[in-house]
Amino acid sequence: QQQVKQSPQSLIVQKGGISIINCAYENTAFDYFPWYQQFPGKGPALLIAIRPDVSEKKEGRFTISFNKSAKQFSLHIMDSQPGDSATYFCAASKGGPGSARQLTFGSGTQLTVLP
Amino acid sequence: DAGVIQSPRHEVTEMGQEVTLRCKPISGHDYLFWYRQTMMRGLELLIYFNNNVPIDDSGMPEDRFSAKMPNASFSTLKIQPSEPRDSAVYFCASSPPWRTYEQYFGPGTRLTVT
Repeated sequence: QQQVKQSPQSLIVQKGGISIINCAYENTAFDYFPWYQQFPGKGPALLIAIRPDVSEKKEGRFTISFNKSAKQFSLHIMDSQPGDSATYFCAASKGGPGSARQLTFGSGTQLTVLP
Repeated sequence: DAGVIQSPRHEVTEMGQEVTLRCKPISGHDYLFWYRQTMMRGLELLIYFNNNVPIDDSGMPEDRFSAKMPNASFSTLKIQPSEPRDSAVYFCASSPPWRTYEQYFGPGTRLTVT
């Protein structure tokens, strides 16, 4: 059962454009929603994360928008650069204080930013 | 600071052979996770440890897979016997006790079983 659905599978944008990747989840117990960035031959790296008590979080050119009622969240990359070309994974997790966070990943979006 | 270290980076083996993947977590991290990544199934959690103790191995696909963590700085994932469908990239990740919601991934081991 896929608990986190991610779209699109691939995305091509021009340099300077806005990249938008969407995710939807099913389990209302999820309470932490990170995005990971993965370059070829590398492991995923935490990019930005949000908790459901806020609707938006911004770090530099990267913004997460969160809609709790719709159980959806999205990643916006402003002023996209060729160096942003990578695979992006959304994820969701749940867990109490001090417990491990088991991540459930989306299927990934391969982003290509054209120069 | 050194990140999560995995070895080997690439492994090619024949069906039926034993394969051992190794991981050294970041010093001070007390959670260790093993993931498998394939095109068909994406990133899947196989097993995770806390303070060297296996907590949840429900993601381990079959009895052919086993994982150990003999000490805080070393873990292994073993496949015996290996099969072509085990071909994937295997990642190890670790989390610190003060930020259990952040996982730091290693570079992965690309396993090819022929």
